[in-house]
Amino acid sequence: GENVEQHPSTLSVQEGDSAVIKCTYSDSASNYFPWYKQELGKRPQLIIDIRSNVGEKKDQRIAVTLNKTAKHFSLHITETQPEDSAVYFCAASSRSSASKIIFGSGTRLSIRP
Amino acid sequence: KAGVTQTPRYLIKTRGQQVTLSCSPISGHRSVSWYQQTPGQGLQFLFEYFSETQRNKGNFPGRFSGRQFSNSRSEMNVSTLELGDSALYLCASSLDGIAGETQYFGPGTRLLVL
Repeated sequence: GENVEQHPSTLSVQEGDSAVIKCTYSDSASNYFPWYKQELGKRPQLIIDIRSNVGEKKDQRIAVTLNKTAKHFSLHITETQPEDSAVYFCAASSRSSASKIIFGSGTRLSIRP
Repeated sequence: KAGVTQTPRYLIKTRGQQVTLSCSPISGHRSVSWYQQTPGQGLQFLFEYFSETQRNKGNFPGRFSGRQFSNSRSEMNVSTLELGDSALYLCASSLDGIAGETQYFGPGTRLLVL
């Protein structure tokens, strides 16, 4: 069945450094890959997404890359700030069941001052 | 536009009871999905409703069911509650639930089963 694996489960970086979170997916029909950020006690919020016809997308300090051949996609956060501390989830869905989003297990990102 | 709302926000039940959770999507959104979030299993897809019909379903037992009304509001029901059903239940809405549409999450209902 569909599966999304996410690594690492926890990540601690110095403020100002970069953070990278990696995910792999199993369903070759997956064509949409959103990333959500969930702060403590709050709802998940979409921060960036990428579709299978694009290899990379950037929005200010965050970027996502997609390697369809390897079924890998990654989130890159540059110049990290304290407010970046949260749990980040990668996810995937396919055209045939677009509303069924399969989430990774999450990465708890901590930014050290 | 008002965001996705869920009621109640917190709920305490005992084993064997049943519970109904409610979700009101963003105005104009017709697709509502439900997720269970637990520390051990993360975010797991329960089911999705569109135009009052269940369109997608995850791998949960039949004790978990839902429905959607003509105004797109959705309810989720869990019967014969088990301790393991303790979780944060999140609903998310999108316009039509098609490929590439953003899902917007509600604040969740935290269910504790004793």
